[in-house]
Amino acid sequence: KNQVEQSPQSLIILEGKNCTLQCNYTVSPFSNLRWYKQDTGRGPVSLTIMTFSENTKSNGRYTATLDADTKQSSLHITASQLSDSASYICVVTETGANNLFFGTGTRLTVIP
Amino acid sequence: DVKVTQSSRYLVKRTGEKVFLECVQDMDHENMFWYRQDPGLGLRLIYFSYDVKMKEKGDIPEGYSVSREKKERFSLILESASTNQTSMYLCASGMEVDSGNTIYFGEGSWLTVV
Repeated sequence: KNQVEQSPQSLIILEGKNCTLQCNYTVSPFSNLRWYKQDTGRGPVSLTIMTFSENTKSNGRYTATLDADTKQSSLHITASQLSDSASYICVVTETGANNLFFGTGTRLTVIP
Repeated sequence: DVKVTQSSRYLVKRTGEKVFLECVQDMDHENMFWYRQDPGLGLRLIYFSYDVKMKEKGDIPEGYSVSREKKERFSLILESASTNQTSMYLCASGMEVDSGNTIYFGEGSWLTVV
């Protein structure tokens, strides 16, 4: 069964600290993996997209890694800001299909 | 900038009413999607469309229908709204999903059925 699991469910960190969010998936055959940021009450916004051959991709203070062998990805946030408070959603696509498999997200709260 | 626009941000409807949620995208995307998002469940696919007048059922199509008469517009219809359809509805659009193209989401429509 194609699944995407994220951990932790929620996380609270101090402003300025780094954090890492995890995503494990069983989707096969794998095509690509996306990370989205969703502010409360808003639609998700794309942070990164990684295909099978990519193992790191950065977008400002956000760096995503992908290990297609172990089917794991992480999103690392550097020098967190209050505006990073949001849900972060991992989305995996299978090859040859229009199916997007969503994790349930990690709720990040950055406190001053 | 790509825009996916959902016509209504907040709606309150009565049980049994017919509800229309409209979504328009401005990037000539072939694929459009409707999801609902509930706490702890993540996004669940209701329907998607890969071309004008074409549609495919997603994971939870019961109680919903869709219409895509023009490429830029994808409508979600609740024929007879029920309280268990109270949720946030998200529209998305994009080109081929498995080729690494960005999928863009609208801002969401919060529907409350009373």
